[in-house]
Amino acid sequence: GQNIDQPTEMTATEGAIVQINCTYQTSGFNGLFWYQQHAGEAPTFLSYNVLDGLEEKGRFSSFLSRSKGYSYLLLKELQMKDSASYLCAVRDRSNDYKLSFGAGTTVTVRA
Amino acid sequence: EAQVTQNPRYLITVTGKKLTVTCSQNMNHEYMSWYRQDPGLGLRQIYYSMNVEVTDKGDVPEGYKVSRKEKRNFPLILESPSPNQTSLYFCASSLMGSSYSNQPQHFGDGTRLSIL
Repeated sequence: GQNIDQPTEMTATEGAIVQINCTYQTSGFNGLFWYQQHAGEAPTFLSYNVLDGLEEKGRFSSFLSRSKGYSYLLLKELQMKDSASYLCAVRDRSNDYKLSFGAGTTVTVRA
Repeated sequence: EAQVTQNPRYLITVTGKKLTVTCSQNMNHEYMSWYRQDPGLGLRQIYYSMNVEVTDKGDVPEGYKVSRKEKRNFPLILESPSPNQTSLYFCASSLMGSSYSNQPQHFGDGTRLSIL
C-alpha cells in the first residue's frame, strides 16, 4: 500500500496563503487527488495531478513532483469558509480505482 | 441532481444487532466503495465493487459484508456489530476506464454509527 504523510494541523490568517504538503510512497503512482472536508460532511473534490507541475483552479492550486513523491495544495486569499480538513489521496497502478488517503490536514483560518 | 445517498445518517445500536447501511448513486457509476473514517487515521477502504456482482476487500474488511446486486446500490452489512466498528462511514462512487482516470470519487454525506 501507500504511505501518505500530511501535517496534522495548520493555522493561518484570513487573506493569507497556506501551503499543505503531502508526501507519498508508492510502487506505481497513477494520480493524486486533493479533497476538502468540512467537519461532519462529505469530502469534496478539489484537484487532480498526474503529471509534474502546477494545476491552478481559482484560489486553489496543486503541485506535483513524481520523482520526489511530493505534492502540495496552495490556498490563496484565505477565507473563513476555507477552515476545513484537506485530504491527499493517491492512486496506484496495482489497483487503478482505489484511492489511499492521508490522515488529512486541519486548516483553521483566523480573522 | 447527481448524488450518492446513504441511509441512515445516524444510528446508535447495541453489540450483536445486525444492521445495514444503504448506499445508492444515480450517476450510472461502475465503481463503488465503502470507507470508514476515524480520528488520526483518515479514510480507510472497507470494500469496493467494480460492477454488478463484483466485489473485493479493501484494507479493513473484517466484520463487514457488502453486496452489489444492482449497479446503483451497494449496501454495507454489519452482521454482528462490535464497539470497535463505531465510526463515520462514507460510500463513494466513480466512473471507470482509462478515459475517466481524472474523474474523482463522489462521496455520500456519511453515516455516523455508534455501537454500544
